[in-house]
Amino acid sequence: SAVISQKPSRDICQRGTSLTIQCQVDSQVTMMFWYRQQPGQSLTLIATANQGSEATYESGFVIDKFPISRPNLTFSTLTVSNMSPEDSSIYLCSVGGREAFFGQGTRLTVV
Amino acid sequence: AQKITQTQPGMFVQEKEAVTLDCTYDTSDPSYGLFWYKQPSSGEMIFLIYQGSYDQQNATEGRYSLNFQKARKSANLVISASQLGDSAMYFCAMRDVAGGSNYKLTFGKGTLLTVNP
Repeated sequence: SAVISQKPSRDICQRGTSLTIQCQVDSQVTMMFWYRQQPGQSLTLIATANQGSEATYESGFVIDKFPISRPNLTFSTLTVSNMSPEDSSIYLCSVGGREAFFGQGTRLTVV
Repeated sequence: AQKITQTQPGMFVQEKEAVTLDCTYDTSDPSYGLFWYKQPSSGEMIFLIYQGSYDQQNATEGRYSLNFQKARKSANLVISASQLGDSAMYFCAMRDVAGGSNYKLTFGKGTLLTVNP
């Protein structure tokens, strides 16, 4: 089973600023996934990150707002850009594989 | 399109009793995977159990078992001997296995379980 370290675990940010969330996996994985969970809601996929290629974004999410990097097979970052209070959510990274494990999540509050 | 339905927004159970959390799904794919996750108030998503559509037996992991009824398209989670630490949100999810294990999950809306002492 993969161990996924995600940081920061939480942050409070000013509107208009950006936050970069990091996700480190203890083994090489082909795909990494970034999800958003708005307050009281279920998880929604933001994008799929494949090493060596552009991330694939779901409908309603754009690269300018949520740029993703995937420099190698064990690491990925998600940036939430030009934040507004509506971006206050839990952001989670995940890896593929039978059990589909998740990182610990980043609880973001934008004020 | 895949869809996951969890009809119980909240459930209550007495400590040491068993509880069943409902999940139904809809897919036209013959090959798929079903997952259950626990999300405590900390926000992390904890993997509990996985069932493949072609698995012959229902999945079990310790106190967790998955009651898989393929014809009814249901994948209910059974927690035996509930503990206070089981109080959390529980999510059912599905993955299109035809897309391989490197494919996204579709989640239900979740069920908030409260275990009473």
